[in-house]
Amino acid sequence: DAKTTQPPSMDCAEGRAANLPCNHSTISGNEYVYWYRQIHSQGPQYIIHGLKNNETNEMASLIITEDRKSSTLILPHATLRDTAVYYCIASPNYGQNFVFGPGTRLSVLP
Amino acid sequence: DAGVIQSPRHEVTEMGQEVTLRCKPISGHNSLFWYRQTMMRGLELLIYFNNNVPIDDSGMPEDRFSAKMPNASFSTLKIQPSEPRDSAVYFCASSFQGENTIYFGEGSWLTVV
Repeated sequence: DAKTTQPPSMDCAEGRAANLPCNHSTISGNEYVYWYRQIHSQGPQYIIHGLKNNETNEMASLIITEDRKSSTLILPHATLRDTAVYYCIASPNYGQNFVFGPGTRLSVLP
Repeated sequence: DAGVIQSPRHEVTEMGQEVTLRCKPISGHNSLFWYRQTMMRGLELLIYFNNNVPIDDSGMPEDRFSAKMPNASFSTLKIQPSEPRDSAVYFCASSFQGENTIYFGEGSWLTVV
């Protein structure tokens, strides 16, 4: 599986958009980009995933560069409840090869 | 759906004791995963099952760890004998094979003293 690189921490003001970057320069053509988050003391929660096209759901948007070497998770209007560790994972399938790195600790500030 | 259900949520045990963690996956899911999370190593995949069959247990740390899935709605992770370094949060997760989403339980917080 491709290795992903994320900043260790980020801050975001409440109500503003949170843009979380992820580098996956060695991603293979059949590897998806997945985003999960883990709120303190809870299990990881699926957010969104994509292969090539940008994706949007009720939680977030995922922007993948044309060369697929990086992506950005966008939380359009961050709330205090979005404070969590966000994990970016590149994997060809849906769980067997998920390698969770240290992620980005997002702090949403009032 | 109630989600992935794990028990116990918290356990404190003495070194040398046997520990059994339990998991009920989401109904209809046919893949099940056990993960361990520590501050030092983060989230690690220990083992996963497809259709109740263990597929990859390469993440199981040593012979003291064993996992079973006797049926589609129940799995156990056993540690015998337990050691202080086994202290961690153990997560169970499940998915439907072919889907791109795995769902995690709330975890079992294990402390071995």
